[in-house]
Amino acid sequence: RKEVEQDPGPFNVPEGATVAFNCTYSNSASQSFFWYRQDCRKEPKLLMSVYSSGNEDGRFTAQLNRASQYISLLIRDSKLSDSATYLCVVNMAGSARQLTFGSGTQLTVLP
Amino acid sequence: DAGVIQSPRHEVTEMGQEVTLRCKPISGHNSLFWYRQTMMRGLELLIYFNNNVPIDDSGMPEDRFSAKMPNASFSTLKIQPSEPRDSAVYFCASSFGTRGRGYTFGSGTRLTVV
Repeated sequence: RKEVEQDPGPFNVPEGATVAFNCTYSNSASQSFFWYRQDCRKEPKLLMSVYSSGNEDGRFTAQLNRASQYISLLIRDSKLSDSATYLCVVNMAGSARQLTFGSGTQLTVLP
Repeated sequence: DAGVIQSPRHEVTEMGQEVTLRCKPISGHNSLFWYRQTMMRGLELLIYFNNNVPIDDSGMPEDRFSAKMPNASFSTLKIQPSEPRDSAVYFCASSFGTRGRGYTFGSGTRLTVV
C-alpha cells in the first residue's frame, strides 16, 4: 500500500463547478498535512496546510479526518486558472522534516 | 527573497557523461532536499540535509549519484556516469524549523540523457 494515495484523475469540470479531491495516508501517527499545487512543467507550490479543525482559504477548503486517515480539498467556483495537478502531502511520523508526496490529482477546468 | 535557485534549468548530455546539478536554498533555511520527478514514479526524495549534514540518503538510486552541501548556501547533486534512465526533472527544496512547515521548491533542472 502506498504511504499517500490519491485518485489520479483526470478531473474535467466546467468553470464555476465545485470539485473535491480525496487523499488517504497509511501512517496513523502522521503529524502534518499539506496540499501542494503543480502547474505543467513547473515546480510544486504550497497551496495550504491542513489543520485538524479544517481550514479555508478563499475558494479552497481543506479537511482532515484523523480517524479515517483521510484528507480532502474542496474547490468552489472553479476557475480556468485552477487547472493543475494537486498533490496531497504528509509528514509521516518519525520522519523528522521529510514530507511524503502523493502522486497527484490532475484537474482541468473547462470554459 | 529570491527563492530556491537551481541551475541549469535544462541539461542535455550523452550517456556516460558526468552531470552536476546546483542548488542555492533560501537564506536562513536549514534543511535542503533533492527530489526527482518522473511520470512513472512521481516525486521521489533522493536525499536530505539538515544544517549541511546529510541525514537520509536512502532514496539515492545507486552509487552513480552523490550529493554534497559544503555550506549553508550551496548544494550539488552529481551523476557519474549518467544513463538514459536518469532523465527526469530534479528539484531542490528548502525549509526551516519544525515539521509543521512546508517546503519551497526551486524551478527544477530538466535532465535528458541521450
